[in-house]
Amino acid sequence: GDSVTQMEGPVTLSEEAFLTINCTYTATGYPSLFWYVQYPGEGLQLLLKATKADDKGSNKGFEATYRKETTSFHLEKGSVQVSDSAVYFCALSSSGGYNKLIFGAGTRLAVHP
Amino acid sequence: ETGVTQTPRHLVMGMTNKKSLKCEQHLGHNAMYWYKQSAKKPLELMFVYSLEERVENNSVPSRFSPECPNSSHLFLHLHTLQPEDSALYLCASSQVGSSNTGELFFGEGSRLTVL
Repeated sequence: GDSVTQMEGPVTLSEEAFLTINCTYTATGYPSLFWYVQYPGEGLQLLLKATKADDKGSNKGFEATYRKETTSFHLEKGSVQVSDSAVYFCALSSSGGYNKLIFGAGTRLAVHP
Repeated sequence: ETGVTQTPRHLVMGMTNKKSLKCEQHLGHNAMYWYKQSAKKPLELMFVYSLEERVENNSVPSRFSPECPNSSHLFLHLHTLQPEDSALYLCASSQVGSSNTGELFFGEGSRLTVL
Protein backbone atom coordinates (compact mmCIF):
# COMPACT_ATOMS: atom_id res chain seq x y z
CA GLY A 1 0.00 0.00 0.00
CA ASP A 2 0.87 3.66 -0.13
CA SER A 3 3.34 4.93 2.48
CA VAL A 4 5.49 7.89 3.49
CA THR A 5 8.91 7.76 5.12
CA GLN A 6 10.46 10.75 6.86
CA MET A 7 13.84 11.25 8.43
CA GLU A 8 13.76 10.66 12.14
CA GLY A 9 14.19 13.53 14.51
CA PRO A 10 14.70 15.41 16.51
CA VAL A 11 16.54 17.87 14.32
CA THR A 12 18.31 20.54 16.34
CA LEU A 13 19.59 23.68 14.61
CA SER A 14 20.85 27.11 15.47
CA GLU A 15 18.92 30.13 14.27
CA GLU A 16 19.66 31.06 10.63
CA ALA A 17 20.90 27.55 9.79
CA PHE A 18 19.78 25.72 6.65
CA LEU A 19 17.08 23.10 7.09
CA THR A 20 16.40 19.92 5.14
CA ILE A 21 13.88 17.29 6.21
CA ASN A 22 13.85 14.29 3.91
CA CYS A 23 10.63 12.65 2.76
CA THR A 24 10.18 9.75 0.35
CA TYR A 25 6.99 8.03 -0.65
CA THR A 26 5.60 4.87 -2.19
CA ALA A 27 2.37 5.18 -4.10
CA THR A 28 0.43 3.83 -7.02
CA GLY A 29 -0.63 6.47 -9.48
CA TYR A 30 0.22 10.14 -9.08
CA PRO A 31 -0.59 11.39 -5.60
CA SER A 32 -0.55 14.98 -4.39
CA LEU A 33 2.10 15.65 -1.75
CA PHE A 34 1.87 17.83 1.33
CA TRP A 35 3.86 19.18 4.24
CA TYR A 36 1.94 19.92 7.42
CA VAL A 37 3.28 21.58 10.57
CA GLN A 38 2.14 21.08 14.16
CA TYR A 39 3.08 23.68 16.75
CA PRO A 40 2.97 22.68 20.44
CA GLY A 41 -0.57 22.19 21.70
CA GLU A 42 -2.14 22.72 18.30
CA GLY A 43 -3.53 20.73 15.41
CA LEU A 44 -1.93 20.30 11.99
CA GLN A 45 -1.69 23.21 9.58
CA LEU A 46 -0.98 22.90 5.89
CA LEU A 47 2.44 24.37 5.14
CA LEU A 48 2.71 23.69 1.40
CA LYS A 49 1.65 21.25 -1.28
CA ALA A 50 2.46 20.05 -4.81
CA THR A 51 0.02 18.26 -7.06
CA LYS A 52 2.18 16.97 -9.93
CA ALA A 53 5.75 16.05 -10.81
CA ASP A 54 8.27 18.94 -10.81
CA ASP A 55 5.83 21.24 -9.00
CA LYS A 56 7.43 23.32 -6.24
CA GLY A 57 5.35 24.20 -3.22
CA SER A 58 6.44 27.16 -1.12
CA ASN A 59 5.22 29.09 1.91
CA LYS A 60 6.80 31.15 4.73
CA GLY A 61 10.29 30.56 3.30
CA PHE A 62 9.83 26.78 3.13
CA GLU A 63 10.05 24.94 -0.19
CA ALA A 64 9.63 21.39 -1.45
CA THR A 65 9.80 19.99 -4.98
CA TYR A 66 7.82 16.96 -6.18
CA ARG A 67 10.46 14.61 -7.60
CA LYS A 68 8.81 11.67 -9.33
CA GLU A 69 12.07 10.06 -10.41
CA THR A 70 13.31 9.80 -6.83
CA THR A 71 9.83 9.61 -5.24
CA SER A 72 10.83 12.40 -2.88
CA PHE A 73 9.42 15.64 -1.48
CA HIS A 74 12.15 17.05 0.77
CA LEU A 75 11.38 20.16 2.83
CA GLU A 76 13.95 22.97 2.84
CA LYS A 77 14.36 26.40 4.37
CA GLY A 78 17.36 28.62 3.91
CA SER A 79 17.38 30.29 7.33
CA VAL A 80 15.34 28.89 10.21
CA GLN A 81 13.98 30.90 13.13
CA VAL A 82 13.17 29.92 16.70
CA SER A 83 9.50 30.26 15.79
CA ASP A 84 9.90 27.38 13.26
CA SER A 85 10.30 24.91 16.14
CA ALA A 86 7.51 22.39 15.60
CA VAL A 87 6.79 18.90 14.28
CA TYR A 88 6.70 18.58 10.49
CA PHE A 89 4.67 15.90 8.71
CA CYS A 90 4.99 14.79 5.11
CA ALA A 91 1.83 13.31 3.58
CA LEU A 92 0.42 12.01 0.34
CA SER A 93 -3.12 11.77 -0.90
CA SER A 94 -4.09 8.21 -1.60
CA SER A 95 -6.56 7.34 -4.32
CA GLY A 96 -10.24 7.59 -3.61
CA GLY A 97 -13.15 9.96 -3.86
CA TYR A 98 -12.22 11.77 -0.67
CA ASN A 99 -8.95 13.22 0.65
CA LYS A 100 -7.41 10.19 2.29
CA LEU A 101 -4.04 11.47 3.48
CA ILE A 102 -1.31 9.09 4.56
CA PHE A 103 1.20 10.70 6.90
CA GLY A 104 4.81 10.09 7.75
CA ALA A 105 5.83 9.69 11.39
CA GLY A 106 6.73 13.37 11.77
CA THR A 107 10.05 15.11 12.37
CA ARG A 108 10.53 17.33 15.39
CA LEU A 109 12.55 20.48 14.74
CA ALA A 110 14.09 22.48 17.58
CA VAL A 111 15.74 25.80 16.71
CA HIS A 112 17.92 27.49 19.32
CA PRO A 113 18.90 31.18 19.41
CA GLU B 1 -16.08 30.69 14.93
CA THR B 2 -13.87 29.86 12.00
CA GLY B 3 -12.21 26.73 10.68
CA VAL B 4 -12.58 23.46 12.55
CA THR B 5 -13.33 23.51 16.27
CA GLN B 6 -13.10 20.56 18.63
CA THR B 7 -14.48 20.17 22.13
CA PRO B 8 -13.44 19.36 24.73
CA ARG B 9 -9.76 20.18 24.30
CA HIS B 10 -8.86 17.92 27.21
CA LEU B 11 -10.73 14.92 28.61
CA VAL B 12 -9.86 12.52 31.41
CA MET B 13 -12.07 9.47 31.78
CA GLY B 14 -12.14 6.16 33.54
CA MET B 15 -12.39 2.90 31.67
CA THR B 16 -16.08 2.50 32.50
CA ASN B 17 -17.15 6.02 31.51
CA LYS B 18 -19.04 7.08 28.42
CA LYS B 19 -18.07 10.37 26.84
CA SER B 20 -18.16 12.06 23.44
CA LEU B 21 -15.84 14.23 21.42
CA LYS B 22 -17.39 16.90 19.24
CA CYS B 23 -16.15 18.48 16.04
CA GLU B 24 -17.71 21.33 14.06
CA GLN B 25 -16.48 22.74 10.79
CA HIS B 26 -17.35 26.24 9.56
CA LEU B 27 -15.79 25.89 6.10
CA GLY B 28 -18.75 24.57 4.12
CA HIS B 29 -16.98 21.26 3.48
CA ASN B 30 -18.72 17.99 2.71
CA ALA B 31 -16.32 15.43 4.20
CA MET B 32 -15.10 14.96 7.78
CA TYR B 33 -12.45 12.74 9.31
CA TRP B 34 -11.23 11.40 12.65
CA TYR B 35 -7.50 10.76 13.09
CA LYS B 36 -5.72 9.37 16.15
CA GLN B 37 -2.29 10.73 17.07
CA SER B 38 -0.37 8.62 19.58
CA ALA B 39 3.13 9.26 20.82
CA LYS B 40 5.81 8.02 18.43
CA LYS B 41 3.31 6.63 15.91
CA PRO B 42 2.14 8.02 12.59
CA LEU B 43 -1.29 9.58 12.44
CA GLU B 44 -3.90 6.87 12.05
CA LEU B 45 -7.03 7.48 10.01
CA MET B 46 -10.00 6.15 11.97
CA PHE B 47 -13.18 7.18 10.15
CA VAL B 48 -14.23 9.17 7.12
CA TYR B 49 -17.64 10.60 6.36
CA SER B 50 -18.26 11.89 2.86
CA LEU B 51 -21.60 13.55 2.14
CA GLU B 52 -22.70 12.33 5.59
CA GLU B 53 -22.10 8.66 4.76
CA ARG B 54 -19.36 6.67 6.44
CA VAL B 55 -16.96 5.68 3.68
CA GLU B 56 -14.04 4.39 5.70
CA ASN B 57 -13.69 2.55 8.97
CA ASN B 58 -10.13 1.42 9.49
CA SER B 59 -10.59 -1.61 11.73
CA VAL B 60 -11.31 0.63 14.69
CA PRO B 61 -12.52 -1.16 17.86
CA SER B 62 -16.24 -0.90 18.49
CA ARG B 63 -15.62 1.04 21.70
CA PHE B 64 -15.20 4.02 19.33
CA SER B 65 -18.48 4.95 17.64
CA PRO B 66 -18.65 7.85 15.17
CA GLU B 67 -21.72 9.89 14.32
CA CYS B 68 -22.17 12.48 11.59
CA PRO B 69 -25.65 14.06 11.90
CA ASN B 70 -24.95 16.64 9.17
CA SER B 71 -22.08 17.89 7.04
CA SER B 72 -20.91 20.37 9.68
CA HIS B 73 -20.80 18.15 12.75
CA LEU B 74 -18.94 15.00 13.68
CA PHE B 75 -18.91 13.13 16.97
CA LEU B 76 -16.81 10.35 18.39
CA HIS B 77 -18.61 8.45 21.13
CA LEU B 78 -16.34 6.68 23.58
CA HIS B 79 -17.19 3.83 25.95
CA THR B 80 -15.24 1.27 27.97
CA LEU B 81 -11.93 2.57 26.69
CA GLN B 82 -8.51 1.19 27.53
CA PRO B 83 -5.46 3.12 28.76
CA GLU B 84 -3.79 2.56 25.38
CA ASP B 85 -6.56 4.66 23.81
CA SER B 86 -5.04 7.74 25.44
CA ALA B 87 -4.03 9.99 22.54
CA LEU B 88 -4.74 13.21 20.71
CA TYR B 89 -7.84 12.83 18.55
CA LEU B 90 -7.85 15.12 15.56
CA CYS B 91 -10.84 16.06 13.48
CA ALA B 92 -10.44 17.30 9.92
CA SER B 93 -12.64 18.39 7.06
CA SER B 94 -12.27 18.80 3.31
CA GLN B 95 -14.23 19.49 0.20
CA VAL B 96 -14.65 16.55 -2.14
CA GLY B 97 -15.90 16.74 -5.69
CA SER B 98 -15.17 19.28 -8.40
CA SER B 99 -13.80 21.97 -6.05
CA ASN B 100 -11.50 19.60 -4.19
CA THR B 101 -8.17 21.25 -3.39
CA GLY B 102 -6.70 18.04 -1.99
CA GLU B 103 -5.84 19.06 1.55
CA LEU B 104 -7.41 18.48 4.92
CA PHE B 105 -8.19 21.23 7.40
CA PHE B 106 -7.58 20.16 11.00
CA GLY B 107 -8.94 21.17 14.35
CA GLU B 108 -6.68 21.61 17.37
CA GLY B 109 -7.49 18.18 18.72
CA SER B 110 -8.96 16.67 21.86
CA ARG B 111 -6.37 15.27 24.27
CA LEU B 112 -7.85 12.12 25.82
CA THR B 113 -6.43 10.43 28.91
CA VAL B 114 -7.91 7.10 29.99
CA LEU B 115 -7.18 6.11 33.59
